Amino acid sequence: DAGVTQSPTHLIKTRGQQVTLRCSPKSGHDTVSWYQQALGQGPQFIFQYYEEEERQRGNFPDRFSGHQFPNYSSELNVNALLLGDSALYLCASSFGTETQYFGPGTRLLVL
Amino acid sequence: AQKVTQAQTEISVVEKEDVTLDCVYETRDTTYYLFWYKQPPSGELVFLIRRNSFDEQNEISGRYSWNFQKSTSSFNFTITASQVVDSAVYFCALSEVGAWAAGNKLTFGGGTRVLVKP
Repeated sequence: DAGVTQSPTHLIKTRGQQVTLRCSPKSGHDTVSWYQQALGQGPQFIFQYYEEEERQRGNFPDRFSGHQFPNYSSELNVNALLLGDSALYLCASSFGTETQYFGPGTRLLVL
Repeated sequence: AQKVTQAQTEISVVEKEDVTLDCVYETRDTTYYLFWYKQPPSGELVFLIRRNSFDEQNEISGRYSWNFQKSTSSFNFTITASQVVDSAVYFCALSEVGAWAAGNKLTFGGGTRVLVKP
């Protein structure tokens, strides 16, 4: 039974560029959440998708957007990258509001 | 607003010692879930335990145990007879239990780094 997968594992971008991160949920899960984890800090909630709609959003600017596809996979898009966007981006999946299980993350470095 | 505080930033122990991690939370919700996750150097958050707010029974699962006290808003976690493989950052987290449509975002503490020396 495959767990949550994310791609790519690492990414290097320059300021002002745009980036797309991808997530495939655990089998049987229909809800995907995204978190940003800066170095040495706890993860911060970005948003959550259910039935292809954004159900809940954290305190992040509109530069952060997402999408959920009919197969429940999800993308996180960040426009106009800033140096401060450098972080580990974690995707979590769950069945509805049950326990969230996390993927290995994507490490984004903005130069 | 929800808040989770882990006052201990780093704990260092020798193998086989017990380790207790402190977690204090704030929420206005009457029903909520509390979690502990482990993050090894690889970066993936690994789910350990979940408790709901209306069940204060403390339990033991293998080498893990937890002490949930609603009166003091604390949810402490203990690793018994620690092993080198337990070295990781441990996060306490909180989520509300609301309507299905409301979502269940996790609010994390800052984490406690545990170093188990052989």
